Amino acid sequence: QSVLTQPPSVSGAPGQRITITCTGSSSNIGAGYDVHWYQQVSGAVPKLLIYGNRNRPSGVPDRFSGSKSGTSASLVITGLQADDESDYYCLSYDRTLSASVFGGGTKLTVL
Amino acid sequence: EAQLLESGGGLVQPGGSLRLSCAASGFTFRSYSMNWVRQAPGKGLEWLSYISSTSRAIFQADSVKDRFTVSRDNAKNLLFLQMSGLRAEDTARYYCAKDIFGDYPNDAFDVWGQGTFVTVSS
Repeated sequence: QSVLTQPPSVSGAPGQRITITCTGSSSNIGAGYDVHWYQQVSGAVPKLLIYGNRNRPSGVPDRFSGSKSGTSASLVITGLQADDESDYYCLSYDRTLSASVFGGGTKLTVL
Repeated sequence: EAQLLESGGGLVQPGGSLRLSCAASGFTFRSYSMNWVRQAPGKGLEWLSYISSTSRAIFQADSVKDRFTVSRDNAKNLLFLQMSGLRAEDTARYYCAKDIFGDYPNDAFDVWGQGTFVTVSS
């Protein structure tokens, strides 16, 4: 059971907008630690999508955006495409554990 | 281009030991902290360990703290994970990953290797 909670699954139709949440606590996200987001296509190496809550590495489309507020963070994907169908993970740091922690992951299905 | 290549995985009996290596290229290895992350079959990502650029700071997940040891050789651009007391639940793909900016435990991991698979079974 991760200290960062993500919904197990979300779905949306092509072209739609979806949001994946990552809920933590005052020991991690709420303590001001950055949240990063990864995309993992089945069986592939995780790919960095968002770092430092809202920054996109070069090459990541602006359809992907991140935000953070209080003890939660969100990944928003707009203009959903078939190849967005992947698992998505949030990552942050927990000061009580003195450890980086991943969320449990969210499987995105494009209908 | 920054690249990481893990090696050393394989089949090991419960209670056994294994040392994983991660060879870095295409970036100044000695300037970046590094991490190990694993993923059991059908499961999510699990962060295991962090080592700063100078090895001065090391953090490890409670699940492996007393059994796994992370180290690095900056002269050879190598990262290691020494694993002992292996259990069936340690069966996973093990990735090494580079911090995006440097010595900061809350950094994102921007470069990942392809991973090496460890199977713990009798």
